Amino acid sequence: NAGVTQTPKFRILKIGQSMTLQCTQDMNHNYMYWYRQDPGMGLKLIYYSVGAGITDKGEVPNGYNVSRSTTEDFPLRLELAAPSQTSVYFCASSPGLEAFFGQGTRLTVV
Amino acid sequence: DQQVKQNSPSLSVQEGRISILNCDYTNSMFDYFLWYKKYPAEGPTFLISISSIKDKNEDGRFTVFLNKSAKHLSLHIVPSQPGDSAVYFCAASGPQGGSEKLVFGKGTKLTVNP
Repeated sequence: NAGVTQTPKFRILKIGQSMTLQCTQDMNHNYMYWYRQDPGMGLKLIYYSVGAGITDKGEVPNGYNVSRSTTEDFPLRLELAAPSQTSVYFCASSPGLEAFFGQGTRLTVV
Repeated sequence: DQQVKQNSPSLSVQEGRISILNCDYTNSMFDYFLWYKKYPAEGPTFLISISSIKDKNEDGRFTVFLNKSAKHLSLHIVPSQPGDSAVYFCAASGPQGGSEKLVFGKGTKLTVNP
């Protein structure tokens, strides 16, 4: 059972570069989410989706974009990387309230 | 403004003893609470939850207690095992809220010593 799969696991970006964090789930969940976790902090919601074609902003959406063309995939796009985006990013999916998380992507912007 | 607070960044207990992890919240509209466990280099995994219509929920060694009047919940692990060593996050959700409404605490790192 794959669950929620995130790629890559680690990435170093230079300031101003762009990249896409990939997320795929095989549980047929309608809800998908992107969180970031900064050191010593809880998880903060970046964007979420309640189904294919529908996305909405979370608590900290600035500097990010998302799309949801299929139920399975929910990529997160960073257009102009900034040091403040150095964090661990978690993708999650949910049938309702209990979310299932991927293993995370550790991103460093230098 | 932290709506969900875990005031103890860390907790250390002996194997076989009870671990008690605490969580306070400020928003009286929260009506569903969850605990997640996180090992290093892994994503959080769901552990146990409780609805505001209950004051206790048990699942094996894990019990969550909810005190609505005090806006406080706690997670009890009995007996504690070394494999329970992880960071535990408390999360809360408001009425008609799905996972997109979850508010997480900062986490408590539990260390269970053999």
